[in-house]
Amino acid sequence: QVQLVESGGGLVKPGESLRLSCGASGFTLSDDYMTWIRQPPGKGPEWVSFISGPGTSIYYADSVRGRFTISRDNDKNSLYLQMNSLTAEDTAVYYCVRGRDYYGHWGQGTLVTVSS
Amino acid sequence: EIVLTQSPGTLSLSPGERATLSCRASQSVSSSYLAWYQQKPGQAPRLLIYGASTRATGIPDRFSGSGSGTDFTLTISRLEPEDFAVYYCQQYGGSPRTFGQGTKVEIK
Repeated sequence: QVQLVESGGGLVKPGESLRLSCGASGFTLSDDYMTWIRQPPGKGPEWVSFISGPGTSIYYADSVRGRFTISRDNDKNSLYLQMNSLTAEDTAVYYCVRGRDYYGHWGQGTLVTVSS
Repeated sequence: EIVLTQSPGTLSLSPGERATLSCRASQSVSSSYLAWYQQKPGQAPRLLIYGASTRATGIPDRFSGSGSGTDFTLTISRLEPEDFAVYYCQQYGGSPRTFGQGTKVEIK
């Protein structure tokens, strides 16, 4: 069955960087759009970015554009999110999600905490 | 950006009762591209409904969605103990994709 496993979260200071990874199994990664969604503590989910199957179509939320970079390695069945210049407002659980529109498959999430 | 406003913020009901959750969009959601999710503590959201009214795979028929344009509703016909959770609506008719702030369904 479809499985998505995120890793790379942790505690960082404001201004620092972090790279999240998502390993996918149970489906062919290159066939699907993939999305990152985050959820700040106690709040609703927030769409962050998505990338098309071949990686040729990429969109970002205004709140992360210019700081975050989404990428994928279809040969490794992996999705990535490079996060630079992190601020406290980026503190959230980050989910790797299959799809572009609505989301039937989510990872378990990885917590990113930005604090001095 | 389409802003989704969910009401009420909290719904206090007993098992067996009917739950009606509302999601209102700041502008029309094209082609009823609206989804509903259920989230329990410590878990990722779970897709319940897409296309405003189509149940996702494995979702019991006590969950139903309706609406179009700017007003959408999720109805749980008879609450089961496992249905007490937070529910979010999400639109995918425009970019960026946006979520509502959630409705918590709690045991009365």
